[in-house]
Amino acid sequence: AQKITQTQPGMFVQEKEAVTLDCTYDTSDQSYGLFWYKQPSSGEMIFLIYQGSYDEQNATEGRYSLNFQKARKSANLVISASQLGDSAMYFCAMREGAGGSNYKLTFGKGTLLTVNP
Amino acid sequence: ETGVTQTPRHLVMGMTNKKSLKCEQHLGHNAMYWYKQSAKKPLELMFVYSLEERVENNSVPSRFSPECPNSSHLFLHLHTLQPEDSALYLCASSQDARGYNEQFFGPGTRLTVL
Repeated sequence: AQKITQTQPGMFVQEKEAVTLDCTYDTSDQSYGLFWYKQPSSGEMIFLIYQGSYDEQNATEGRYSLNFQKARKSANLVISASQLGDSAMYFCAMREGAGGSNYKLTFGKGTLLTVNP
Repeated sequence: ETGVTQTPRHLVMGMTNKKSLKCEQHLGHNAMYWYKQSAKKPLELMFVYSLEERVENNSVPSRFSPECPNSSHLFLHLHTLQPEDSALYLCASSQDARGYNEQFFGPGTRLTVL
């Protein structure tokens, strides 16, 4: 079974509108972390936002917020007021477990977001 | 230079060649990573180094050989590659190898094996 599922291969949004990118995860660990990365066509992965499994509030970073629904095992990324520069691939990732060796990130297949003017 | 840099950005090599990919981080981090990103597949972790010691070798074929001479530099030595090794190779670093520290990525090396 996939640990990270991103069901939207592609999404389109109008400039200045909000968009939600879906991510569901599968883990039996109580301690885990969820990350979102953006990958423009240039190739580098840009860290956007992090949510820990014990964080009670949804993470926010500027125009990015993470809609964390623990019981449903979902961690959707919400981008408000979309800009043309937001067009990119977006990856959801998870690290599982606690302790010193939980560095391994498992990535989803990504969602290609296109922002239309 | 800031962040994580990778050279070369593009590389074309034959199956009998030997080449090396270089990664340098200017963030003072202690952990570095190599990832492989193939078309239509999720990002795959290849190697992890923490304080210059390899802590993960994710079942990677021996034709890929990593080297971490110090905490700022990471190399991936390539020899006798196969066409299916063509991919984007991404280097990343983090403060340490504990998972709650975000990983910062370089721009990648686009490798084509003929």
